[in-house]
Amino acid sequence: QVQLVQSGAEVKKPGASVKLSCKASGYTFTSYGIHWVRQAPGQSLEWMGWINGGNGNSKHSQKFQGRVTITRDTSANTAYMHLSNLRSEDTALYYCARPMKMIIVLYAFDLWGQGTLVTVSS
Amino acid sequence: EVVLTQSPGTLSLSPGERATLSCRASQTVSSNYVAWYQQTPGQAPRLLIYGASSRATGIPDRFSGSGSGTDFTLTISRLEPEDFAIYHCQQYGSPQGVTFGGGTKVEIK
Repeated sequence: QVQLVQSGAEVKKPGASVKLSCKASGYTFTSYGIHWVRQAPGQSLEWMGWINGGNGNSKHSQKFQGRVTITRDTSANTAYMHLSNLRSEDTALYYCARPMKMIIVLYAFDLWGQGTLVTVSS
Repeated sequence: EVVLTQSPGTLSLSPGERATLSCRASQTVSSNYVAWYQQTPGQAPRLLIYGASSRATGIPDRFSGSGSGTDFTLTISRLEPEDFAIYHCQQYGSPQGVTFGGGTKVEIK
């Protein structure tokens, strides 16, 4: 079925990096974008960035300038989000999500992964 | 960046009552590209409304969205037990990217 399956939970020390994956199935990966959204404990949703599954173009929120890299592997139907120089404030549940329209990257998200918990602690 | 402010922060209502949730943008949202999501504990958000007023597939008609420009509203006509949750608004009309509001919790009174 149509789904996004994310990699497992991570525990990292401050200053380290993490790379999360989001594997798509049940649809044509290159026809849609993938976004990354995080949610700190008890907080609302925070958009991090997106990647165009077709041409690989990406964009991220200015808040994460220099720390986030979003990539994809079309042969594996998988998107990745790499976040560097981790701090305790990066402890959150990280979601990948797919826009509901083909080709159009900026649209409402009708498909979400199950989330990956990243804990940053010394 | 388009800042979205949701109000109230918490709404205490009884099953069967009407819920009205507000989402105000710091600037006009292009093409009224506003979506609403429902989130229950331990679950990923679920798309309810897109384009300010279009219901997503499988969403009951007790959920409706309205508004334009900078002011948007989600209305739940008669609350069912499963509707007690957190609701997030989102704008996706800015070329800078997507932003979300702070959320409104609808709790049982």
